Amino acid sequence: AQSVTQLGSHVSVSEGALVLLRCNYSSSVPPYLFWYVQYPNQGLQLLLKYTSAATLVKGINGFEAEFKKSETSFHLTKPSAHMSDAAEYFCAVNRGNTGFQKLVFGTGTRLLVSP
Amino acid sequence: NAGVTQTPKFQVLKTGQSMTLQCAQDMNHNSMYWYRQDPGMGLRLIYYSASEGTTDKGEVPNGYNVSRLNKREFSLRLESAAPSQTSVYFCASSVGGILETQYFGPGTRLLVL
Repeated sequence: AQSVTQLGSHVSVSEGALVLLRCNYSSSVPPYLFWYVQYPNQGLQLLLKYTSAATLVKGINGFEAEFKKSETSFHLTKPSAHMSDAAEYFCAVNRGNTGFQKLVFGTGTRLLVSP
Repeated sequence: NAGVTQTPKFQVLKTGQSMTLQCAQDMNHNSMYWYRQDPGMGLRLIYYSASEGTTDKGEVPNGYNVSRLNKREFSLRLESAAPSQTSVYFCASSVGGILETQYFGPGTRLLVL
């Protein structure tokens, strides 16, 4: 069964520092992977997605993620954190290969950005 | 476009009461979803509707029912609320297809006493 594990429920960085949020997946089929962000009191919105077209995926707001099959990882990075990046981030993998999307979400990582 | 809207925003129920959470989208999407979000557990799929006229169970369907009223609207019903159903509920929609983006509503915060 497909699943994702997010290491670290909270990550703290200083403004301007590198952001690294970790996601490891488990999948018996080639995975489709997603990163979503949730700002306080809002629904989730898509940051980026891996569709097998390229291993380095660029998303919105300067975020990117690299798919590494050998490490079963899809970590999210941003070179320089902004205060506005403070939010909760969810990694997700598509469950199954029926052609319909059913996502399995990780438990989330809350990013805290200090001045 | 309003995107995905949900009503109510917040609700308090007593154990055993029933209620319906409403969701509507104005993006002409085919697929709609209901999730619950609990601390430390991420989002879990309750029910989904791949297209108008169809509904299927997700990971945690027990205690819930759904209705895909038309292409725009997808409601979630709690027939007899339990404290374990205290959660934040999100509705989402997408065009359909394995690679599509899901668009989420703002959520309904439900407290069952």
